[in-house]
Amino acid sequence: AQKVTQAQTEISVVEKEDVTLDCVYETRDTTYYLFWYKQPPSGELVFLIRRNSFDEQNEISGRYSWNFQKSTSSFNFTITASQVVDSAVYFCALSEARSSNTGKLIFGQGTTLQVKP
Amino acid sequence: GAVVSQHPSWVICKSGTSVKIECRSLDFQATTMFWYRQFPKQSLMLMATSNEGSKATYEQGVEKDKFLINHASLTLSTLTVTSAHPEDSSFYICSAGLFYNEQFFGPGTRLTVL
Repeated sequence: AQKVTQAQTEISVVEKEDVTLDCVYETRDTTYYLFWYKQPPSGELVFLIRRNSFDEQNEISGRYSWNFQKSTSSFNFTITASQVVDSAVYFCALSEARSSNTGKLIFGQGTTLQVKP
Repeated sequence: GAVVSQHPSWVICKSGTSVKIECRSLDFQATTMFWYRQFPKQSLMLMATSNEGSKATYEQGVEKDKFLINHASLTLSTLTVTSAHPEDSSFYICSAGLFYNEQFFGPGTRLTVL
């Protein structure tokens, strides 16, 4: 069965601190996709990144970076120099890979990040 | 591109009534649409997967007779909560899928049942 675990329920940091959100996943599939989403108080999910299981390269996008390690089944997300606007709930998600369709998403429990000024 | 809308964005209804939520892909045709439910301070839980022209596939524990899903076209899926009760109050989110595992989420519908 597929499962995503975000062990950190809530994290509180002061602005400009770096913060890492952990994500550990379980799957028997050899091909799968991993995602990170941001959910601000408005509720609308904001897509951050998608990574397939064959691409273990780390990715950096501005202040955001992701570390994918298949050996530990982890896909961690780091925000550098955090800002108040980063305050939100962040979800890690796992999707089965479907060749002709779209796989359903399994979400982690979410991590609430509070960035204080 | 790849915009998904939901209507209404919020709804308040009396217990026992039925509520319909629409999910539309505005600029693309979605082969598959998904419906999620999110209770306060909890994660998103998949309720069902619907493919255009066929019956929805419900996740374990989701009552298909209570949560009716219709996916009549490649751009529209509807979720009807029948005989709603206060425990059905939740945030309902739909997503529309393209090939190669891309999903685009709607803004969500907040349902409050009095």
